[in-house]
Amino acid sequence: DIVMTQSPDSLAVSLGERATINCKSSQSVLHSSNDKNYLTWYQQKPGQPPKLLIYWASIRESGVPDRFSGSGSGTDFTLTISSLQAEDVAVYYCQQYYSAPGTFGQGTKLEIK
Amino acid sequence: EVHLVDSGGGLVQPGGSLRLSCAASGFTFSSYWMSWVRQAPGKGLEWVANIKQDGSEKNYVDSVKGRFTISRDNAKNSLYLQMNSLRAEDTAVYYCARDSYCSGGTCYFDSWGPGTLVTVSS
Repeated sequence: DIVMTQSPDSLAVSLGERATINCKSSQSVLHSSNDKNYLTWYQQKPGQPPKLLIYWASIRESGVPDRFSGSGSGTDFTLTISSLQAEDVAVYYCQQYYSAPGTFGQGTKLEIK
Repeated sequence: EVHLVDSGGGLVQPGGSLRLSCAASGFTFSSYWMSWVRQAPGKGLEWVANIKQDGSEKNYVDSVKGRFTISRDNAKNSLYLQMNSLRAEDTAVYYCARDSYCSGGTCYFDSWGPGTLVTVSS
């Protein structure tokens, strides 16, 4: 199985500041046939199910604010929130869908400083 | 609007069985792979099982193979998870999820139900 490792486990950022979450896969999730990275990001607020933010490593899901962006390729990926808002407090997960079983990172808890 | 509602969770003794259901609306259910994903209390997410649009292909995480069975009824827009021989480590919130894109049976999820809690304890 591909192991997904996120860093840090928790993060406290001031309102309006940039938040950066990293995700590293134990093997590349870049598919050579289509040059796409099989990597998604989800946001989970307390008591709610996860919500899809980013797919193909960098494509924002419809309705997701443009302060959220995804980047990276191969084994190293980043989720960036350009200007943190109070409603962004949540746990963020990356997930690979390159090979079975699809696996998630352990999550990064984002809080307000 | 896509709407998924999971149900059927509860308290069950080790070795017992439970059947989860997910009612889908707002989209053409028969056109999508569907999955179950679980989350143990205070823990991360774990994909459990998925099923192809016509039910012809099913995949499971190793830890539930032989114990859980995923199924669907496209006429009723419903997804099911039959869970047998339950163990304490199966305790979790179980989410049904719509698979947005799948490659080789591995998918990502664009819509989730609210979840249903399964507790396995004596």
